[in-house]
Amino acid sequence: AQKITQTQPGMFVQEKEAVTLDCTYDTSDPSYGLFWYKQPSSGEMIFLIYQGSYDQQNATEGRYSLNFQKARKSANLVISASQLGDSAMYFCAMREGGKLIFGQGTELSVKP
Amino acid sequence: KAGVTQTPRYLIKTRGQQVTLSCSPISGHRSVSWYQQTPGQGLQFLFEYFSETQRNKGNFPGRFSGRQFSNSRSEMNVSTLELGDSALYLCASSLGGAGASNQPQHFGDGTRLSIL
Repeated sequence: AQKITQTQPGMFVQEKEAVTLDCTYDTSDPSYGLFWYKQPSSGEMIFLIYQGSYDQQNATEGRYSLNFQKARKSANLVISASQLGDSAMYFCAMREGGKLIFGQGTELSVKP
Repeated sequence: KAGVTQTPRYLIKTRGQQVTLSCSPISGHRSVSWYQQTPGQGLQFLFEYFSETQRNKGNFPGRFSGRQFSNSRSEMNVSTLELGDSALYLCASSLGGAGASNQPQHFGDGTRLSIL
């Protein structure tokens, strides 16, 4: 069975600085996809970035990038130039058929 | 392009009642998945529908059911409500079909269900 682990329940970062949110995964499938979502306090889940297991390069989307280390089974999210609006819960997830398996989430707080 | 629409946003029910939640996916998306989110259990998968057929089911009792219509809209029903059913219910859509494992699921704003 697939599993996602996020070991940081909460993180603080100063505005305009970069922050890394950790995610490790476990799967026996050679082909898999990893996703990061942001959930503000209002509740909606916002898709941020995707990394495929066969992708040669780390994924990037604007201020978001993935530090993908396949051998270590880690897919850490890097947010550059943090903004106050980045304060939210962040979830790492893996697709297993038609469902997403989520980690426990990391609550990020950006300080002014 | 309109996003995933869930109705209602908030709902208050009492124990023993039943409830129906609605989800309209992004236009062109044929796969709809439902999730329950609680502080204690986190995000848990309920079921997935594709082309009006339930394709996957999570580990929830039979009180939780769903269906999908020909226009891909989906409904989720919970019967004989219990206090523990209080949660945020999220619906997500994706294209489905071939290459589904690489497709992100796009979520609605959720329905907050409170059981008194």
